[in-house]
Amino acid sequence: ETGVTQSPTHLIKTRGQQVTLRCSSQSGHNTVSWYQQALGQGPQFIFQYYREEENGRGNFPPRFSGLQFPNYSSELNVNALELDDSALYLCASSRQALAGGPGQAGELFFGEGSRLTVL
Amino acid sequence: LAKTTQPISMDSYEGQEVNITCSHNNIATNDYITWYQQFPSQGPRFIIQGYKTKVTNEVASLFIPADRKSSTLSLPRVSLSDTAVYYCLVGPNTGFQKLVFGTGTRLLVSP
Repeated sequence: ETGVTQSPTHLIKTRGQQVTLRCSSQSGHNTVSWYQQALGQGPQFIFQYYREEENGRGNFPPRFSGLQFPNYSSELNVNALELDDSALYLCASSRQALAGGPGQAGELFFGEGSRLTVL
Repeated sequence: LAKTTQPISMDSYEGQEVNITCSHNNIATNDYITWYQQFPSQGPRFIIQGYKTKVTNEVASLFIPADRKSSTLSLPRVSLSDTAVYYCLVGPNTGFQKLVFGTGTRLLVSP
């Protein structure tokens, strides 16, 4: 158990709809990253949030957006859903080298993921 | 970020030692090597991280040669529960790194 919780665990949407996924990070971690994992593939980096600001983004379109809240929890929003958005969405929290908290600096603590199916 | 290459799959039997090698020819000076384990429908789990030489913890060892262009994850005496996908990643350990996962190595442990 990593201390990172995600909700919902499973959901089904139709093309064109919007979805919001939520993540509560490990206590003591101030950085949250989101990954998309298609079936049979490794996780792909979507974006990262630090101190409520986006701190880097992967090769994903603007309809993928996020938020980080003062308590370091985070949301991933996807608009205008497409069939290819069907995937496991993973949230991971981490800490910096000079920050206290569990794990090693840079070690990612992943949640169990949210399985999104787009029909 | 440095690209990594690792075998797509490996098979082993319970009780054997398994070594998974990862190539990372373009590793940068400030990059660390990190391995994650992932079971189906779960998030990846940190196994071990190293910079050079050898690192050992309660579940695995990581061997890194002097040129750091490759690394080997060693799992001693595997069990059925070690069946999983193992990812090798290279990057800084600042906490801000945007990890690049490849397709990983699918390890199957049989009785």
